[in-house]
Amino acid sequence: GNSVTQMEGPVTLSEEAFLTINCTYTATGYPSLFWYVQYPGEGLQLLLKATKADDKGSNKGFEATYRKETTSFHLEKGSVQVSDSAVYFCALSGSSGNTPLVFGKGTRLSVIA
Amino acid sequence: DTGVSQNPRHKITKRGQNVTFRCDPISEHNRLYWYRQTLGQGPEFLTYFQNEAQLEKSRLLSDRFSAERPKGSFSTLEIQRTEQGDSAMYLCASSEEGVGTEAFFGQGTRLTVV
Repeated sequence: GNSVTQMEGPVTLSEEAFLTINCTYTATGYPSLFWYVQYPGEGLQLLLKATKADDKGSNKGFEATYRKETTSFHLEKGSVQVSDSAVYFCALSGSSGNTPLVFGKGTRLSVIA
Repeated sequence: DTGVSQNPRHKITKRGQNVTFRCDPISEHNRLYWYRQTLGQGPEFLTYFQNEAQLEKSRLLSDRFSAERPKGSFSTLEIQRTEQGDSAMYLCASSEEGVGTEAFFGQGTRLTVV
């Protein structure tokens, strides 16, 4: 079945540091890939997505590129801020559009000033 | 629209009692999902509906769990004879149909079984 493996945390960075959170997946066909974020005290919200190979999703300075050859969708940001402190979840949905999201375990990011 | 709404936000119950949670999705969304999340884990899929039809149920879902979505609008998730292992955050999400569509999540119902 479909599955997602993401880098375990917690990750602690200083403000303005470069961020990478690794995510790899197992799925048949061409799934859609997502990064969701959960800020303290808030619900899950979509950060970015990509629906086909080589697509790059981007939002709020975060980027991730759908790499079919390495089955990866790593999240990156060039300069993190304290306000980026949150839990980040990589997720996929199947290529048919009829399967629910499958999530990774999440990576907690803490950014210190 | 105010987004996905879940009630109650918190529920404490004694072991063996039944509990029911409600989810009101975004009105134009025909898909509705239930997930469970425990500390340090990602959301785990429980079941989902397209309109009023329950299309998929996780094999991990105990028969003490049942969900309904009458008339394809709000949904309820009932847990019968609760156990301490049922303590978790229960999340509801809704989406439009289609490939790669965004799922919008509610803030969840936190269940504590004592």
